[in-house]
Amino acid sequence: AQSVTQLGSHVSVSEGALVLLRCNYSSSVPPYLFWYVQYPNQGLQLLLKYTSAATLVKGINGFEAEFKKSETSFHLTKPSAHMSDAAEYFCAVSDRGTGGFKTIFGAGTRLFVKA
Amino acid sequence: DGGITQSPKYLFRKEGQNVTLSCEQNLNHDAMYWYRQDPGQGLRLIYYSQIVNDFQKGDIAEGYSVSREKKESFPLTVTSAQKNPTAFYLCASSVPGTATNYGYTFGSGTRLTVV
Repeated sequence: AQSVTQLGSHVSVSEGALVLLRCNYSSSVPPYLFWYVQYPNQGLQLLLKYTSAATLVKGINGFEAEFKKSETSFHLTKPSAHMSDAAEYFCAVSDRGTGGFKTIFGAGTRLFVKA
Repeated sequence: DGGITQSPKYLFRKEGQNVTLSCEQNLNHDAMYWYRQDPGQGLRLIYYSQIVNDFQKGDIAEGYSVSREKKESFPLTVTSAQKNPTAFYLCASSVPGTATNYGYTFGSGTRLTVV
């Protein structure tokens, strides 16, 4: 069965510092992986996705993520945090199970950016 | 611009009352989904529909009902049988078979509170 674990429910960084949000997954078949961002009282917006092409995926707002099969990880990074990056971030995995394709979301990591 | 509209943004329900959350999309997507979001639990799938006049239960369908009479609309009714309905509800859509590798488009959500 597929699952997603986001390490750390809260992450705090200073403005200009590196952002690293961790995501580990389990899947019995090659997965599709996603990162979404959610601002307060808003829906989720797709940041980036991995679909078995390049292992380093670039998304919107300067974010990128690297698929590491050996580590079953898909961590999200941004070289320099901006105040506007403060939001909640969700990792999601999708693969074909017995009931067809299914998407599972992680519990989310809230990013705080300090001035 | 194409998108998903959820209404109302905030909804209050009395004990024992049924309420209906609206979800309308003009993206011409065949597939639509309802998710429930609780703090620290990520998103959980309530119902989904791949085509008009057809829908399937998700992981937490008890106490909820849906209809799909039109491609554009996928309303969710929270019935009195749902014992803990206070949550943030998100509607999403996708082209069928592509949510796996292209992700979802989300609405901005409805926050339901029991009073």
